[in-house]
Amino acid sequence: AQSVTQLDSQVPVFEEAPVELRCNYSSSVSVYLFWYVQYPNQGLQLLLKYLSGSTLVESINGFEAEFNKSQTSFHLRKPSVHISDTAEYFCAVKNPQGGSEKLVFGKGTKLTVNP
Amino acid sequence: GAGVSQSPSNKVTEKGKDVELRCDPISGHTALYWYRQSLGQGLEFLIYFQGNSAPDKSGLPSDRFSAERTGGSVSTLTIQRTQQEDSAVYLCASSLKLAVYEQYFGPGTRLTVT
Repeated sequence: AQSVTQLDSQVPVFEEAPVELRCNYSSSVSVYLFWYVQYPNQGLQLLLKYLSGSTLVESINGFEAEFNKSQTSFHLRKPSVHISDTAEYFCAVKNPQGGSEKLVFGKGTKLTVNP
Repeated sequence: GAGVSQSPSNKVTEKGKDVELRCDPISGHTALYWYRQSLGQGLEFLIYFQGNSAPDKSGLPSDRFSAERTGGSVSTLTIQRTQQEDSAVYLCASSLKLAVYEQYFGPGTRLTVT
């Protein structure tokens, strides 16, 4: 069975600082990986995804994540955060050959960007 | 276009009562998913539908939980004899098809069992 570990439940940073939100997964097979974001009082939105190909994927608002198969990681990074990036971020995994379409989520990381 | 909608947005019910939660997926989306978001457990998969059939019900916590989908569109999640541990935000998502397509999430229904 797959599982996702987000080691940091809360990450406070100052505006314009870099940030890394960590995500590790366990799976014995190939996986699809996702980062979802939940802004305060809003629903979940897909931030970026890795399905195949280039291991570095980017979002339109400056976030990027790198799939590292040997370390079974998919950490999310941004070189300079804004106040508006304050949100909860969820890493998720799906097994494309597992016969199920369910996403397995980590417990989330609350990013708070302070002025 | 219209996104995934869920109703009610909030539901407070007494322990032991039955509740029905509704999800309207994005028009044309064939796949529909239910998840539960609670403080202690994070986001948990409950069930998904392809059309009107549910290939994976493995996430339903007990036989008090059931879901159906009719006409390949609206889905209802029913919880019978609610318990306090059922209190959570119930999220619905839909996707154009299965496999690589993005899941679009609704705003959720916050269920409080008193």
